[in-house]
Amino acid sequence: SQQGEEDPQALSIQEGENATMNCSYKTSINNLQWYRQNSGRGLVHLILIRSNEREKHSGRLRVTLDTSKKSSSLLITASRAADTASYFCATDAGSARQLTFGSGTQLTVLP
Amino acid sequence: DAGVIQSPRHEVTEMGQEVTLRCKPISGHNSLFWYRQTMMRGLELLIYFNNNVPIDDSGMPEDRFSAKMPNASFSTLKIQPSEPRDSAVYFCASSSQRTGGILNTEAFFGQGTRLTVV
Repeated sequence: SQQGEEDPQALSIQEGENATMNCSYKTSINNLQWYRQNSGRGLVHLILIRSNEREKHSGRLRVTLDTSKKSSSLLITASRAADTASYFCATDAGSARQLTFGSGTQLTVLP
Repeated sequence: DAGVIQSPRHEVTEMGQEVTLRCKPISGHNSLFWYRQTMMRGLELLIYFNNNVPIDDSGMPEDRFSAKMPNASFSTLKIQPSEPRDSAVYFCASSSQRTGGILNTEAFFGQGTRLTVV
């Protein structure tokens, strides 16, 4: 079953604009991770935020986590055409230490 | 490091045939995951190994699916007999559960095997 649900399902923006994707989940988590998938390729880990953290930055990426609302957001600033990909959130919940992925957001950055 | 290596990259087979997908995890990683990705169901966890032992296989869809990890550097996912609805991209991922003493579940994915059953 899918723990995380991303919103929106698809997002199209112009190069240079910021892109925001949201993820909601259902159960308590140990951490939440964001991954990127280019068409026809495997997933690549972007950033991990632990349950006791509220915000984390990595380059042009900013992730927030609100455990009271069971939600997270991924912000990509100053987007580039090369950012075009699908973005997935994944939750690590419970003692099993396995990742459950959401349905993904397809981001298209127009040059 | 070469990353997680999966083979074959593409597989086309006829319904009823046996299919074997292979995975070599990153050296030193002690957890290995098999996922299946389809448009309809997204990314589904099929089975998860820790230290070569299957921990959770509740995602394996049917008895036609089986997975093994005979050693720390090799795993297989077998489908016998295959059916058209098994067509999907199958991903293997590995992770090191601890990094510098901190529990960490960042997963490294292979490029996937695109399976088509006709």
